[in-house]
Amino acid sequence: KAGVTQTPRYLIKTRGQQVTLSCSPISGHRSVSWYQQTPGQGLQFLFEYFSETQRNKGNFPGRFSGRQFSNSRSEMNVSTLELGDSALYLCASSLARESGGPSYEQYFGPGTRLTVT
Amino acid sequence: AQSVTQLGSHVSVSEGALVLLRCNYSSSVPPYLFWYVQYPNQGLQLLLKYTSAATLVKGINGFEAEFKKSETSFHLTKPSAHMSDAAEYFCAAQTYTGKLIFGQGTTLQVKP
Repeated sequence: KAGVTQTPRYLIKTRGQQVTLSCSPISGHRSVSWYQQTPGQGLQFLFEYFSETQRNKGNFPGRFSGRQFSNSRSEMNVSTLELGDSALYLCASSLARESGGPSYEQYFGPGTRLTVT
Repeated sequence: AQSVTQLGSHVSVSEGALVLLRCNYSSSVPPYLFWYVQYPNQGLQLLLKYTSAATLVKGINGFEAEFKKSETSFHLTKPSAHMSDAAEYFCAAQTYTGKLIFGQGTTLQVKP
């Protein structure tokens, strides 16, 4: 089975621009979660999508948004980029239950390295 | 609120020595716990998981972890370190909503 794929792998943007990152989950996985990784804050949860609906949300401003398509692929969008948005953005997919909750492990993609100048 | 604490941001061992990476979690109810490894410029790879079935969990690459409720700990060990084990290791707790809360990570250095 193919793993989680993320595109692009590297991205350089300028402050004020917007960016869209893409994630394709493992086949059969309906849950996609996004995490931001920075040296200062570590790994932080952004949001989770399940069956095209946002099910959980972390503590990030509204500039961070996402969506999920019917084939479970997900996109994450960041508008009005700030220097502090420079990070590795990781996507993770999981079998997850329709009722939500823990127990299913999450499998991570290689990430998208975003640099904001 | 749940939190995960990894003691020691850097751990250095000699090749062949015991690896011990420490993780403590805070919660009134044992969560689901995971250890992930991250190699440079890569994503996170799952090493092992605890889901209350057994307190001693064996993972990939010879790693194992023991869940100790009384100590709220989930330390990762490997009897003999290899050079290829050099990486960053993350302990994570999964909340009842399913999201992962990560520790700050521990960089493992393996000296020849």
